[in-house]
Amino acid sequence: GAVVSQHPSWVICKSGTSVKIECRSLDFQATTMFWYRQFPKQSLMLMATSNEGSKATYEQGVEKDKFLINHASLTLSTLTVTSAHPEDSSFYICSARSGRGENEQFFGPGTRLTVL
Amino acid sequence: AQKITQTQPGMFVQEKEAVTLDCTYDTSDQSYGLFWYKQPSSGEMIFLIYQGSYDEQNATEGRYSLNFQKARKSANLVISASQLGDSAMYFCAMREGKRSSASKIIFGSGTRLSIRP
Repeated sequence: GAVVSQHPSWVICKSGTSVKIECRSLDFQATTMFWYRQFPKQSLMLMATSNEGSKATYEQGVEKDKFLINHASLTLSTLTVTSAHPEDSSFYICSARSGRGENEQFFGPGTRLTVL
Repeated sequence: AQKITQTQPGMFVQEKEAVTLDCTYDTSDQSYGLFWYKQPSSGEMIFLIYQGSYDEQNATEGRYSLNFQKARKSANLVISASQLGDSAMYFCAMREGKRSSASKIIFGSGTRLSIRP
């Protein structure tokens, strides 16, 4: 199956700093990528849909100015958590489909963010 | 309103037994897709099986099968001959609308499956 990578796999930062998470599709082009957040022992909550070359579409309740998404190319989307606070500590997972409407959605390995 | 409901927060099953994980869904779309994913403690999401709303036969993938009952809006996952490595969180998910690269997938709350040796 297709491979999606994320970098970094984990990050610890101080409150108030910004953190950038990269999501790459390694062997296919992804016109659309999705960003999810997962708190401990909870499900994945969709944060936003990232579209190559256009603005991201955010889910209700997700602050677009806090979670900046840039889908700069067909293989790269970035999520920047700006002015991070302890409540932003979570597991962030990206996923992508190849654009051919395939049934399988490929997930990255996730990034664990801890804000002190 | 909850779109995907998994009523079993946790299950314990003896190794080699079959197990059924429940999932019900709610949608007004005629075209939709249903997924099951496995998430081990490492956090990665592993795709298991897919069922399209127009598929007449239940999907099967090795030891996994999806018991699709459209009228009841249920899509239960059946794992046959469970193995210790099956211990993980299992999520049911749904994509509403026609299949496209941009259609969203939303997840249920998950079921933690533990296999006893």
